[in-house]
Amino acid sequence: GENVEQHPSTLSVQEGDSAVIKCTYSDSASNYFPWYKQELGKGPQLIIDIRSNVGEKKDQRIAVTLNKTAKHFSLHITETQPEDSAVYFCAASMSGAQKLVFGQGTRLTINP
Amino acid sequence: DTGVSQDPRHKITKRGQNVTFRCDPISEHNRLYWYRQTLGQGPEFLTYFQNEAQLEKSRLLSDRFSAERPKGSFSTLEIQRTEQGDSAMYLCASSPRTGANGYTFGSGTRLTVV
Repeated sequence: GENVEQHPSTLSVQEGDSAVIKCTYSDSASNYFPWYKQELGKGPQLIIDIRSNVGEKKDQRIAVTLNKTAKHFSLHITETQPEDSAVYFCAASMSGAQKLVFGQGTRLTINP
Repeated sequence: DTGVSQDPRHKITKRGQNVTFRCDPISEHNRLYWYRQTLGQGPEFLTYFQNEAQLEKSRLLSDRFSAERPKGSFSTLEIQRTEQGDSAMYLCASSPRTGANGYTFGSGTRLTVV
């Protein structure tokens, strides 16, 4: 089955700097790659997603890139703000599948 | 609509007791999912409903676990004879369309088995 690895497990950046979180997946049949943000005491919230027919997608300060050949995808957050502090999860899903396979999470801390 | 609602938010139970959790999805969503999240890990898929039909179950869902969605609206997840290893956050999500996209998660039920 699909396996998703996520790095780093913790990341600390200065406010205003950029943060990058990377994930690799094992199953080349996966074609949908969402990113979720989880704040303390809350469920994961979808922040951006990308499909395998697209190499990059951007939404304001957040962007995701996908390299299908290498089977990895990354989340980029620019101009980080204190409210970006949270745990971020990547996930992958195969075409037609209903379930998501999640990475282990990255705890992002933005230092003022 | 206020999103996906889960009840209770927290549950502490003694080992061996039965517990039941409830999930109310977004009203127009016909797909409902249960995930389990242990501390420091990503959510793991447990089961999925399309309307009232349970279409997929993970191997994680032992025979002590049962989920229902009797009228295609709210869902319940029951754990019988709880064990300490069942301690986790149980997350419910719903989606309006096929495939794994468009999930909206609830805030979860945190279960502690003592």
